[in-house]
Amino acid sequence: QVTLRESGPALVKPTQTLTLTCTFSGFSLSTSGMCVTWIRQSPGKALEWLARIDWDDDKYYSTFLKTRLTISKDTSKNQVVLTMTNMDPVDTATYYCARIPNYYYNYMDVWGKGTTVTVSS
Amino acid sequence: SSELTQDPAVSVALGQTVRITCQGDSLRSFYASWYQQKPGQAPILVFYGINNRPSGIPDRFSGSSSGNTASLTLTGAQAEDEADYYCHSRDSSGNHLVFGGGTKLTVL
Repeated sequence: QVTLRESGPALVKPTQTLTLTCTFSGFSLSTSGMCVTWIRQSPGKALEWLARIDWDDDKYYSTFLKTRLTISKDTSKNQVVLTMTNMDPVDTATYYCARIPNYYYNYMDVWGKGTTVTVSS
Repeated sequence: SSELTQDPAVSVALGQTVRITCQGDSLRSFYASWYQQKPGQAPILVFYGINNRPSGIPDRFSGSSSGNTASLTLTGAQAEDEADYYCHSRDSSGNHLVFGGGTKLTVL
């Protein structure tokens, strides 16, 4: 059974750096074609793609946020970490990680439940 | 701004058929996938690629694509299908992913 779980602080202050961890089970990020991606959703808004890391360690970032985002993986721990610098209240959102089992088709077949992050002083 | 455009809201009578569309230039080159999201829940995948429905998704959900438009068709809408629906694909560069703005489906 494939599962993903997001973890991180529920509250961060403006200008701080957010670090989120996606811990997964049921698959290996070493498998050819496998990817893990991060998505967020501000209250009442649409889904917004943030970043993706591939089995071969290729990394892709949202054009709008790429200067603030870093994604990395620890294959031995089955974890993917996303950091976002210089947090602002507009970054208040639920952050999801999801699995992409086939990088070519790019569909996200299993999602975590999400973790809610509030940016406030 | 999103490179994939969806109608903000669509309604359908119970048991009738509704099509939710997603437009974008990148859809001429890349497959779309579709996600259903109910309030307070994470999205779930309901359709992807040419003709793929994940296990557990009712066969009343189907997808298609033509030119720059991908569509999710719901044949015989049920009350439990009321949700937000998002399309997803690559952007025009092919290197980044993008979601449509979402369509709120109301089942009357």
